[in-house]
Formats: sequence, C-alpha cells, structure tokens
Amino acid sequence: EIVLTQSPGTLSLSPGERATLSCRASQSVSGNYLAWYQQKPGQAPRLLIYDASSRATGIPDRFSGSGSGTDFTLTISRLEPEDFAVFYCQQYGNSPRTFGQGTKVEIK
Amino acid sequence: EVQLLESGGGLVQPGGSLRLSCAASGFTFSSYAMSWVRQAPGKGLEWVSVISVGGGTTNFADSVKGRFTISRDNSKNTLHLQMNSLRAEDTAVYYCARDRGYVGGYFDNWGQGILVTVSS
Repeated sequence: EIVLTQSPGTLSLSPGERATLSCRASQSVSGNYLAWYQQKPGQAPRLLIYDASSRATGIPDRFSGSGSGTDFTLTISRLEPEDFAVFYCQQYGNSPRTFGQGTKVEIK
Repeated sequence: EVQLLESGGGLVQPGGSLRLSCAASGFTFSSYAMSWVRQAPGKGLEWVSVISVGGGTTNFADSVKGRFTISRDNSKNTLHLQMNSLRAEDTAVYYCARDRGYVGGYFDNWGQGILVTVSS
C-alpha cells in the first residue's frame, strides 16, 4: 500500500501569510490521483482539491494544489482566520486508498 | 444540497456487533458509489469500505475484512455497514462519504459522523 507522509506536522502562521503543505508518497501515485481535505475540530472533512490540482466546488481560489508522481503540495496563498485546521492528503490511484497523517495549521 | 446522516452508533462490548446506517438526500443516490471512512479518537482518517452503485462490487480495508459487510438500498437511499466481531481498535467516528470513483475515488461529500465505542 502507498504510504503518504505529510510535512510539517504543525505549521504556525499568522493570518495573511502563505501556507505550503507537503505530501510525499512512498511510490508514484497512479494518474496523480491525489486529493486534499480540510478538517476543523468536531467537523467532518471537507474536500478542497482533487486530481492533484482541481479545486472542488465552492473552494476559494486561495487554495491550490500542485505536484505529480510522489511529491504533492497544497498552498494557501493568504491565510484567512477560518482556514486554520488540519489538512489531509489522500491518494486514490492505487488500492487501497490511503490518507496522510495530517498537517495542523495553527495560528501563530 | 447533498446530505448524509449516519445513525446506529454507540457503545458495544468487544466481540459484539453493530449496524450503522447512512440516509442520503439531495442527490441521485443510485448513481454514486459510497464509502465508509473512520477516524479513531485524536487520529487520522482511514478508509474502511466501498460499495459500487448497484451494490455488486464491494471492497474492504484489510483491518476489517471478514468482519464488516457493506450494503445499500437504492430504493430507500440508504447505506449500511454491518460490523461484527468488534475490537477495541474499531473505536472511531465513522463517516459515510459519497465516492467519486467506481470503487476507488475521492470523497466529495461527508456525513457528520457517528461514534462507535468498543469497550467492556
């Protein structure tokens, strides 16, 4: 199974700053089928990005995804107060589908 | 608006059984594969099981294979997860999620989750 390793574990930033989150796969993700989710405390995850770089419906354009093969990145161009949360990557190019362990973006 | 509402969770003893349900609305349920994803307390996400649109194809994570079954009733827009031989490590919030793949895609809508606690 593909292991996804997210870094850093925690990112401490201020509103208005740029956030760069990494997701590295243990082997190449077929089709670059990678998604990103945001989860706030006590809530279900919310889909942000699919197919590595396509924004889900209703997701602001400050969220962008990039990458291919084994290295993927989620970028939040300017952090808004509501963006602070835990972010997970997920690959669906290989069975079984797997998630990364998460990156927490906290207010500095 | 897509809505997914889980029910059936609770406290169960090790070795016991529980059946989760997910009531779907706001979309054509019979046109989408559906999955269960779980999250142990304070931990990350783990995909558990998927069922195809017609119910003829199912897949399971190795951690639950042989113990859990998944089913759906397209006439009632309902998804089920039958969990048998439950273990402490099955303790988690269980989410039903709409699956954007035949039996393996991303999850574009999630329920609010239901807690299952396996403890004596």
